[in-house]
Amino acid sequence: DAGVTQSPTHLIKTRGQQVTLRCSPKSGHDTVSWYQQALGQGPQFIFQYYEEEERQRGNFPDRFSGHQFPNYSSELNVNALLLGDSALYLCASSFANTEAFFGQGTRLTVV
Amino acid sequence: AQSVAQPEDQVNVAEGNPLTVKCTYSVSGNPYLFWYVQYPNRGLQFLLKYITGDNLVKGSYGFEAEFNKSQTSFHLKKPSALVSDSALYFCAVRDMGAAGNKLTFGGGTRVLVKP
Repeated sequence: DAGVTQSPTHLIKTRGQQVTLRCSPKSGHDTVSWYQQALGQGPQFIFQYYEEEERQRGNFPDRFSGHQFPNYSSELNVNALLLGDSALYLCASSFANTEAFFGQGTRLTVV
Repeated sequence: AQSVAQPEDQVNVAEGNPLTVKCTYSVSGNPYLFWYVQYPNRGLQFLLKYITGDNLVKGSYGFEAEFNKSQTSFHLKKPSALVSDSALYFCAVRDMGAAGNKLTFGGGTRVLVKP
């Protein structure tokens, strides 16, 4: 079992650009959540997908959007990138009320 | 709204000594509580959880945590710390009564175990 996998591991984007991050959940998991972890801080909840729909959303602007596919994998899209969007983006998967398993993260740098 | 506080930014302990990392929480309903550990440039690794039952829960790598409802605390403990335990530790809470399973994290506590 490969666990939760995220791609890419690192990327650099310019302000104003758009980015797409990808996540494959742990086998057997049907719920995917995305978190943003700024340097020196705890992860902040962006949103959660279940049955291909957004089930919960944190306090993030509409520039942050997502999608879940029938195979439970997910994408996080961020439009009109700002310098403040630079962070580690973490994907977590879970099933029912079990604990969430996290991927290694995607380090996004906006210049 | 739910929140988590980790009052110590850093905890220093000598190898072989007991380790405690503090966490207090606030939720409107009953809490699910979790501890995760993060090594440099890595994702979060699950250590243990409290849902119901015994207030003392045991987890991975010799860690345990004590749930105290009256003090709304969930402190992480290890009887004898190892140098390899040096990492960033996060406490997280989920509201049992809320739809979905959003986690709210504390700001993290850096643990430094000195040989």
